[in-house]
Amino acid sequence: DGGITQSPKYLFRKEGQNVTLSCEQNLNHDAMYWYRQDPGQGLRLIYYSQIVNDFQKGDIAEGYSVSREKKESFPLTVTSAQKNPTAFYLCASSNKGTGGHGYTFGSGTRLTVV
Amino acid sequence: GENVEQHPSTLSVQEGDSAVIKCTYSDSASNYFPWYKQELGKRPQLIIDIRSNVGEKKDQRIAVTLNKTAKHFSLHITETQPEDSAVYFCAATWEGGSARQLTFGSGTQLTVLP
Repeated sequence: DGGITQSPKYLFRKEGQNVTLSCEQNLNHDAMYWYRQDPGQGLRLIYYSQIVNDFQKGDIAEGYSVSREKKESFPLTVTSAQKNPTAFYLCASSNKGTGGHGYTFGSGTRLTVV
Repeated sequence: GENVEQHPSTLSVQEGDSAVIKCTYSDSASNYFPWYKQELGKRPQLIIDIRSNVGEKKDQRIAVTLNKTAKHFSLHITETQPEDSAVYFCAATWEGGSARQLTFGSGTQLTVLP
């Protein structure tokens, strides 16, 4: 998967449950991101992290939480407070600053509420 | 914050014809503009990018143009082939910080008819 791995590929959540989506990268990238993609829509930023033990909210952070305990890992928890969690979730990473070639994306996790 | 608008939302062309997708952005500080191609059920892949110090960039059948004054940029695909069928996303960001929080357009579904 080009150095960034998301798991699982498919995830089913019951109402009221928290679930955690995994994202691991071996690209030595400092910055990592979580995006949500809904059908027919673009990618919307949930959270991002520039450095270990630091992260910032994106445009749609409500109902989500993250951690960045290791440079390689940036897991996303979808909490029961997220009222409409069914979507395709994409993790990405990038180098710091200028240069480079934008994001490297993971292959995504499709979350469905059952 | 940045806002990126993308048009058209769907585009059908005959094989061999050209396709043009247009994006506008709102933040004049944005200086990096990548384009991603996403095939059904797969992760977005970077196909070309442009920085604000150039007006045009080409890579074989793909080209991107940037008009900083008007704050718009466009993707041009020539001699389209069926394998070009996918969703295309434009994005914009300011590359000066540690993280690049890309703001994405809503996507264009390109269909190349044989």
